[in-house]
Amino acid sequence: QSVLTQPPSVSAAPGQKVTISCSGSTSNIGSNYVSWYQQLPGTAPKPLIYDNDKRPSGIPDRFSGSKSGTSATLGITGLQTGDEADYFCATWDVNLNTVIFGGGTKVAVL
Amino acid sequence: QLQLQESGPGLVKPSETLSLICLVSDGSISTSSDYWGWIRQSPGKGLEYIGTIYYSGSTYYNPSLKSRVTISVDTSKNQFSLKLTSVTAADTAVYYCARFIRWFGGNMDVWGRGTTVAVSS
Repeated sequence: QSVLTQPPSVSAAPGQKVTISCSGSTSNIGSNYVSWYQQLPGTAPKPLIYDNDKRPSGIPDRFSGSKSGTSATLGITGLQTGDEADYFCATWDVNLNTVIFGGGTKVAVL
Repeated sequence: QLQLQESGPGLVKPSETLSLICLVSDGSISTSSDYWGWIRQSPGKGLEYIGTIYYSGSTYYNPSLKSRVTISVDTSKNQFSLKLTSVTAADTAVYYCARFIRWFGGNMDVWGRGTTVAVSS
């Protein structure tokens, strides 16, 4: 069971928007930056968002990140079939003294 | 563009030592602003941080694995390595090397493609 809680799955039709939540505590999300990763089947995680809301170069602005208190959210607008993947959040936990990950959310495009 | 490539045996026997290498190409492992580390992913435990190393040799390990993990760096070969001792079936996973933005943080901006390691007799 992950320290960071994500919904197991979310889905929406092409062109629609989905949001993925990542819930933590004051010892992790509440006091550290959050990053988000996309993992297509059989591939390595790909960075999508870093420092809560920043996109690496090459990541389209359809992907957005935000943080409030002890929760973070990844938003994907204009959903495409190529967005079908697992999405993970990650941050540092000052009590566990380690990087922690969410359990992952599978996005399905209906 | 910086690339990372993991290599090592795909099968390790229980109680033995898992050894992997991560080769850094199209960039220098000795860049002062970069940190390097290992992460693994298994169906049962999801993504798990293993540890981080700086080119000077300073290391930080996940407390849950610290007693069994050693990460080292070879700047002359532009690579770093992972050793995990006394492995069990629970260590079966895909192992990724990655570049970390911060010494303490969950921001990994470049990942290797991963290498699958199975622990079995």
